[in-house]
Amino acid sequence: AQTVTQSQPEMSVQEAETVTLSCTYDTSENNYYLFWYKQPPSRQMILVIRQEAYKQQNATENRFSVNFQKAAKSFSLKISDSQLGDTAMYFCALPNAGNMLTFGGGTRLMVKP
Amino acid sequence: AAGVIQSPRHLIKEKRETATLKCYPIPRHDTVYWYQQGPGQDPQFLISFYEKMQSDKGSIPDRFSAQQFSDYHSELNMSSLELGDSALYFCASSLAPDKETQYFGPGTRLLVL
Repeated sequence: AQTVTQSQPEMSVQEAETVTLSCTYDTSENNYYLFWYKQPPSRQMILVIRQEAYKQQNATENRFSVNFQKAAKSFSLKISDSQLGDTAMYFCALPNAGNMLTFGGGTRLMVKP
Repeated sequence: AAGVIQSPRHLIKEKRETATLKCYPIPRHDTVYWYQQGPGQDPQFLISFYEKMQSDKGSIPDRFSAQQFSDYHSELNMSSLELGDSALYFCASSLAPDKETQYFGPGTRLLVL
């Protein structure tokens, strides 16, 4: 069975600064995807970024980027120039062979003005 | 761009009643997933459909059933509701061959009294 672990239940960052959220996982698959989802207070689940395991280049979406270490099974999310609107719960997610997403426990991020 | 639509957005039911949640995937998306998110928890996979056929089943109680219709919308039917069924129910959709990338709807908040 695959697992996803987020070891930081809560984090805070000052507006305009950079923060990194950690995620580790375990899977027996060789080719897979990894995702970060954002859940703001509205509780909508918003896809932030995705990484394909066979690609060595780390994915980037504007202020969001990942540090993907396949051998270490680590998939961290870096948010640059943090904004108040980034305040949310962030979930790391890994699909299984049937594309069912397994989520980590989430990291609650607070961006402070 | 069109997103996943879920209805109703909020639902209040009494114990032992039934509820039907509806999901309209992003146009042309052929795969639908249902997730349940309890308070303070990460989303848990319930069931999925691809091309109107059930493709995967997770921790869905026997009291729940679901189907995907010819227009690709899906319904989650919940009977004999229990207090513990109170949760946020998400529908997500994807499009083959990129089935791993799932886009979530706003969710239906179900409260069982």
